[in-house]
Amino acid sequence: IQMTQSPSSLSASVGDRVTITCQASQDINKYLNWYQQKPGKAPKVLIYGASILEAGVPSRFSGSGSGTYFTFTISSLQPEDIATYYCQQYDNLRWTFGQGTKVEI
Amino acid sequence: EVQLVESGGGLVQPGGSLRLSCAASRFTFNNYWMGWARQVSGKGLEWVANINQDGSARFYMDSVKGRFTISRDNAKNSLYLQMNSLRADDTAVYHCARILERSGYYNFDYWGQGTLVTVSS
Repeated sequence: IQMTQSPSSLSASVGDRVTITCQASQDINKYLNWYQQKPGKAPKVLIYGASILEAGVPSRFSGSGSGTYFTFTISSLQPEDIATYYCQQYDNLRWTFGQGTKVEI
Repeated sequence: EVQLVESGGGLVQPGGSLRLSCAASRFTFNNYWMGWARQVSGKGLEWVANINQDGSARFYMDSVKGRFTISRDNAKNSLYLQMNSLRADDTAVYHCARILERSGYYNFDYWGQGTLVTVSS
């Protein structure tokens, strides 16, 4: 299964709403996660099951979608959100990451 | 806190082999699926392989199938990745990661810092 994530990078202002999309090449139900990776750090899961917020993650992060089209939203961009974000699907326990979206201020 | 420490990376010639190890601690290792992922410097993440709790189920990305073997030793709390027939495009930092399962949803929840594999002549 191929994952097409867009955009590859974006620049936004503090307080802006930011949206990233991920499209699967076939139906993956809701088997999609969103990770945040800061430079030099391991990825951290923010959203699992397409829309379930990981415990302790700020509520400005959200995810939606099912089937083949998914979105990830930061409702109000904060300086600490500068990172690269990845979608990742796990249909049939064979996983694929999207290409990543680098978010800059 | 969960700890995952990889070792075994290094410089190897194309066609060569390496065995990566991951020492796990501070959690009940045999209760969890485990996996390997890799990242080329400055580039994106790539899933490599997963293995279930008792090693009876293993899954691989297409480009490593038949060349890489994931395994585990629950008595030693260790995960392994045997890499054969290595190619230049296998060059990356390899991370082991724990897999958390919740109501049928799976994700990597803890990652090691990684070990660098360089395939070059």
